[in-house]
Amino acid sequence: NAGVTQTPKFQVLKTGQSMTLQCAQDMNHEYMSWYRQDPGMGLRLIHYSVGAGITDQGEVPNGYNVSRSTTEDFPLRLLSAAPSQTSVYFCASSLTSESSYNEQFFGPGTRLTVL
Amino acid sequence: AQKVTQAQTEISVVEKEDVTLDCVYETRDTTYYLFWYKQPPSGELVFLIRRNSFDEQNEISGRYSWNFQKSTSSFNFTITASQVVDSAVYFCALSEPLLGTASKLTFGTGTRLQVTL
Repeated sequence: NAGVTQTPKFQVLKTGQSMTLQCAQDMNHEYMSWYRQDPGMGLRLIHYSVGAGITDQGEVPNGYNVSRSTTEDFPLRLLSAAPSQTSVYFCASSLTSESSYNEQFFGPGTRLTVL
Repeated sequence: AQKVTQAQTEISVVEKEDVTLDCVYETRDTTYYLFWYKQPPSGELVFLIRRNSFDEQNEISGRYSWNFQKSTSSFNFTITASQVVDSAVYFCALSEPLLGTASKLTFGTGTRLQVTL
């Protein structure tokens, strides 16, 4: 198992450009999510998905779009990059069940800089 | 709203010292889960422990131990005989139910631990 993979590892964008951060998992996890990590703020949830075809907003969704056409993939799209989106982005996945205890597996992260 | 507070922004210790990282949480849920993650300088997030709200037993894993006290809403993490390899940012997190059976994690702001020789 590769676990959770993210591409690219690093990316530099100019203000106004768009791009897609890729996330894939091979563990057949229903739940996938995107977090951003900023200095002094911990990780904050951007969007999440509880299964293929189902997505919802997290704490900081503005400026980002997601879709979940397959169980394995959960791409994050930046529509028009802004310097405020400079951050490290983590994708995570877990099984869903009747309890909320499931360990979330995190990808290695994508470091994005917007100039 | 859920909240996790890690009041210690940065801690520096000398190798072999014991160190405790504090975590205080707020939630209205009666069933919840608490987590600790380690983020070494390489940047990945490493799962350390998960504890549910009904299990207040302390847990020990090698040099790591966790003290969960529901009465004070705390879930503190102690490293005994610290080593340089323990240098990392440590995050405490609280699960929050979402729609259906999914849950999200609310993270604290992290504590950076620096262990020196």
